[in-house]
Amino acid sequence: QKEVEQDPGPLSVPEGAIVSLNCTYSNSAFQYFMWYRQYSRKGPELLMYTYSSGNKEDGRFTAQVDKSSKYISLFIRDSQPSDSATYLCAMSEFITQGGSEKLVFGKGTKLTVNP
Amino acid sequence: GAVVSQHPSRVICKSGTSVKIECRSLDFQATTMFWYRQFPKQSLMLMATSNEGSKATYEQGVEKDKFLINHASLTLSTLTVTSAHPEDSSFYICSARAGGNPRGRARTGELFFGEGSRLTVL
Repeated sequence: QKEVEQDPGPLSVPEGAIVSLNCTYSNSAFQYFMWYRQYSRKGPELLMYTYSSGNKEDGRFTAQVDKSSKYISLFIRDSQPSDSATYLCAMSEFITQGGSEKLVFGKGTKLTVNP
Repeated sequence: GAVVSQHPSRVICKSGTSVKIECRSLDFQATTMFWYRQFPKQSLMLMATSNEGSKATYEQGVEKDKFLINHASLTLSTLTVTSAHPEDSSFYICSARAGGNPRGRARTGELFFGEGSRLTVL
């Protein structure tokens, strides 16, 4: 079993739809959970960052972490064509300032929001 | 604007040649930089962790003699793919952690990714 599983999609939704993106993981030591957005031929850009379980909201984006189920989600409300990109989940056991960190990424889900 | 700059963004080379990719942090000093490789429709895979002034730490299965990493200053890390072969064709991405007292929008400890470098080996 891979450490992080993410359905690669593709996922196609109409503009204004609510989008749900998910990842599951097997390593119970993961503490930090991140969602990155990657446009074609570009580097990933951090969207949301969550520590341990719970919800975090930022504008149209909501990240949820359920450590008991080893399941994380990203919800996008009122999706826009500009949200079309690949969304990658990433996780790590620890983040230490100035120290090393190993991020484990999902494969990414390609999202297309149609106008 | 980008706080981590990668160069070149795209490179095509012949098999057997060496290619150098640069990763620069623009608004902060980065004691630690990371190099990833991303094949089409695959995850970003960490290749190595680059620490300023010391040897890089390579992930299992990554050949350190083939992928040379030099982190000579607090703002620059380079990845050299030596004797490149077609199977080395990939998207290489660096990331850098912001050190103390960063300028601009970077916050201490925050991780930023470069734009990536697409390598095609013929």
